[in-house]
Amino acid sequence: GQQLNQSPQSMFIQEGEDVSMNCTSSSIFNTWLWYKQEPGEGPVLLIALYKAGELTSNGRLTAQFGITRKDSFLNISASIPSDVGIYFCAGSGSRLTFGEGTQLTVNP
Amino acid sequence: ETGVTQTPRHLVMGMTNKKSLKCEQHLGHNAMYWYKQSAKKPLELMFVYSLEERVENNSVPSRFSPECPNSSHLFLHLHTLQPEDSALYLCASSRWWVKRGYTFGSGTRLTVV
Repeated sequence: GQQLNQSPQSMFIQEGEDVSMNCTSSSIFNTWLWYKQEPGEGPVLLIALYKAGELTSNGRLTAQFGITRKDSFLNISASIPSDVGIYFCAGSGSRLTFGEGTQLTVNP
Repeated sequence: ETGVTQTPRHLVMGMTNKKSLKCEQHLGHNAMYWYKQSAKKPLELMFVYSLEERVENNSVPSRFSPECPNSSHLFLHLHTLQPEDSALYLCASSRWWVKRGYTFGSGTRLTVV
């Protein structure tokens, strides 16, 4: 089946630093999505990307749909402590396929 | 308020108990999903319901029994669970065409003792 490789698995950064994470796939996806999961909660949709090459921002978050349709990245600028959580990428074909997540820790 | 409500939020049960998890959505979605999330593991898709029919069962043990009485409600009936079944169980819903992604509930944290 389809698999997503998400990296890095974890990040430990200082408040104010920028963050970058990415997902790659061996298969083409029609839609890329990025979710954030805070402790004790379910994942919440941050950004959805629908076209190859699309670059979309949501506040300090920016995500891009790769030209090959097999990858996507998420950047967080000027991180703050509340950015802590697990970030998941997901690719949409007939079903959503999720990456394994990036655990982000932000030190004040 | 995510639009998908799961109850209970926390559940502790013995291996001989029978319990049920409930999920409810009023987003007008017509597909509902159960996921299992264990520590340090990716999200595991358990069941998919579309228009109240089960369309996917990913080799889940029979001690987990889903039920979807209508497009707004989804249950997961649990019986004779094992300690390794302890996890966060997430419900999600979507339009059947998933382009806009799933909306997740907050999950039920299940501990089997």
